Formats: sequence, C-alpha cells, structure tokens
Amino acid sequence: GIQVEQSPPDLILQEGANSTLRCNFSDSVNNLQWFHQNPWGQLINLFYIPSGTKQNGRLSATTVATERYSLLYISSSQTTDSGVYFCAVPYKLSFGAGTTVTVRA
Amino acid sequence: KAGVTQTPRYLIKTRGQQVTLSCSPISGHRSVSWYQQTPGQGLQFLFEYFSETQRNKGNFPGRFSGRQFSNSRSEMNVSTLELGDSALYLCASRNPGQGDETQYFGPGTRLLVL
Repeated sequence: GIQVEQSPPDLILQEGANSTLRCNFSDSVNNLQWFHQNPWGQLINLFYIPSGTKQNGRLSATTVATERYSLLYISSSQTTDSGVYFCAVPYKLSFGAGTTVTVRA
Repeated sequence: KAGVTQTPRYLIKTRGQQVTLSCSPISGHRSVSWYQQTPGQGLQFLFEYFSETQRNKGNFPGRFSGRQFSNSRSEMNVSTLELGDSALYLCASRNPGQGDETQYFGPGTRLLVL
C-alpha cells in the first residue's frame, strides 16, 4: 500500500507560535485528509485536500500532489491545538504515524 | 446530519472472551472502515465494508471479523481475546464515488482485555 510519512514526530510550541507539519506520501493520490485527535481519542476532520490550498481559521493546508507532499500550518497556536495530527489517504486506507503537538501556555 | 456513532464506548473483557462492537455511519454513507489504535502500532486498518461486502482487509488474524447490514450499520467481532487486543477501535464512514472521499470518524470504543 501507499506509505505516508509525517514530520516532525513531536513538536513543542509556545502559545502564539506558528508551525508547519509535513506529510509525504509514496505514490500519487487523489485524496488526502488531515485529522486532529483530541485527548479523548476522537479524530476530528480538519481538511479534505487532494490538491491546492484550504484555510479554516488559524489552520490552513496545502497539498502539492505532483510532488507527493502536504503541509498543515498552525498559526497563533493555542493550548487547545495540542494533540496528535494525522494525515491519511482514505482511499488507500493509509495513515501516517502522526505528529504530537504540545502547546504550552 | 448525525455523525458516526459507536457502541459501546468502553468495554472490559477477559482473555478468551469474544466481543462485538457496533458502528452506525453517517446517513447515506455506504462505506464503513474499522481501525485499531494502540500506542505501539499507531492506527492500523482492519477492514472496509461497502454495500454489505468486504472490500478491503488489513493484516489482522482471522479472530477479527466484521459485517455490514443493509442499512450500512457495521459490526466487528473479535473472538478469543488476547491482552494485545486492548486498544481504541475506531470506525469511519464515507461515501465513495460521489466526488468527496472525506472520511468521518466515530468517537471510538476503548477495549480493555484483562
């Protein structure tokens, strides 16, 4: 199956900082999703982004399908942004290992 | 629309028992996928059902099985439970072939095997 690699594995931020999470995939994809898993285990859908750029509040994502990567941007981070961020290729049922984000007040 | 629901939310079993977990997808979604999440292995795909047929299967032993009903609700069953089956079991639904492959997850079932 398709391989999905995320970096960095861990990220510690001070509240208010900006950050970029990266997702590389091993083959061409026609869909890609970013999720945030909260402390209770719920996976929240952030973006469905097979290509291009989308923004939702302080979060935005860009997927460059031809170069096989996607980026998730968190701006002005807040403590509620803490958790694990996953990128996934639902059609191929492949998940990355996640980036654990800790935002300190 | 109501989201994906899973029951039960928490479960404690002992080794050797069997367990059945249930998942109700978003109305209109025909695909249900199941995942196991453990601290050591991350999120691992179990199987996907579409229109009552298993469409994809992950790398899990035959003790793990599932089915989907005509109303798209799905169940997964784990027989002869082992300690290593303790995990968060997540199901997700989507509607393939409709232009939007967005996958939506339920809250999960936490299974503890003693």
